Amino acid sequence: EIVMTQSPATLSVSPGERATLSCRASQSVSSNLAWYQQKPGQAPRLLIYGASTRATGIPARFSGSGSGTEFTLTISSLQSEDFAVYYCQQYNNWLSYTFGQGTKLEIK
Amino acid sequence: QVQLVQSGAEVKKPGASVKVSCKASGYTFTSYYMHWVRQAPGQGLEWMGIINPSGGSTSYAQKFQGRVTMTRDTSTSTVYMELSSLRSEDTAVYYCARRSRKHAFDIWGQGTMVTVSS
Repeated sequence: EIVMTQSPATLSVSPGERATLSCRASQSVSSNLAWYQQKPGQAPRLLIYGASTRATGIPARFSGSGSGTEFTLTISSLQSEDFAVYYCQQYNNWLSYTFGQGTKLEIK
Repeated sequence: QVQLVQSGAEVKKPGASVKVSCKASGYTFTSYYMHWVRQAPGQGLEWMGIINPSGGSTSYAQKFQGRVTMTRDTSTSTVYMELSSLRSEDTAVYYCARRSRKHAFDIWGQGTMVTVSS
């Protein structure tokens, strides 16, 4: 099973600043990597797929990069609604999908 | 609009089974695979398995092999997830999620809380 490791576990950032979240895979997943945002009491929402493509309706301040085993989600200028938990997920093997443990983005 | 609507919360005793439904609307049901994902209280997301609504084929995470069964009813555009031999550690919110053309999970159900308690 491919293990996804996210860092940091918690990130404290002020509104208007940039946030950078990391995700590492235990083996190469090519560009088969997605990012999701989850707010309390809600289902996850797809932000990025294919490591760098924004999903429909996702603001341009969200960007993804990386390939192979190292990936980054960047939020260029944090808005109040962006404070949430973010998960990365690999789908390189369609018979086994795994998520990272999540990064909680909190207001500094 | 495209949506997935799940069945309501359940409370079960240890050793029992639970069956959660997920009704799809707004798109061609048989054209998209469906996943099940669960989330224990305060924890992360855990993938359980996938079903092809067209032919009914399934693939389950090794952790749930032998305890989970995913089925579908094309006449009602509904997929089901049944988990047996429930234990307290199965207490979680269970989500269905559609697999997009690009394989990410693009549409999610609202979640179904399953509580296992004696």
